Amino acid sequence: KNEVEQSPQNLTAQEGEFITINCSYSVGISALHWLQQHPGGGIVSLFMLSSGKKKHGRLIATINIQEKHSSLHITASHPRDSAVYICAVHYTGANSKLTFGKGITLSVRP
Amino acid sequence: NAGVTQTPKFQVLKTGQSMTLQCAQDMNHEYMSWYRQDPGMGLRLIHYSVGAGITDQGEVPNGYNVSRSTTEDFPLRLLSAAPSQTSVYFCASAGLGQGYGYTFGSGTRLTVV
Repeated sequence: KNEVEQSPQNLTAQEGEFITINCSYSVGISALHWLQQHPGGGIVSLFMLSSGKKKHGRLIATINIQEKHSSLHITASHPRDSAVYICAVHYTGANSKLTFGKGITLSVRP
Repeated sequence: NAGVTQTPKFQVLKTGQSMTLQCAQDMNHEYMSWYRQDPGMGLRLIHYSVGAGITDQGEVPNGYNVSRSTTEDFPLRLLSAAPSQTSVYFCASAGLGQGYGYTFGSGTRLTVV
């Protein structure tokens, strides 16, 4: 079964810290998504990438296709970054279907 | 505003009742899908559709029906609600293929008593 693994499971950081969230997957993919879900809230797409690196504000997403690994970095973290971060992948041949990781719960303390 | 509209936001059902969760998008997306989110588990695909008149089962389809009579709408029907269907449900849409980002609805919190 194709799986998506995220680490660490839960993460607590102090405001201002640099944060890294990891995602690994098992077989070839055509694209990877990073999603954000605030407590009790909806799900927002942060990035979709198939190679290299993307940046939006304080968020940076990278992917290494050969190592089947992606990271989401948050620079100068803020309490409003507290949320669940979900990695999801399109496995090659799966068309638009996504396989989701279980998500990482991030808490940023002021 | 363009996006995915999902209703209702909250619902309580008695065991055995039926109901329909509504999902509509105005982005002309071909792909629409329904997920359930349970504590400690990732989002799981219930049903999906790649265009009007076409639907298929996902990972956890039992107890749910869908139809796609138009590009815009993709309702999810619970035929006879069970406590195991207590969950948060999300609808999402995307352009067909891997080159398009996903847009999610705001979710429906369903409790079956």
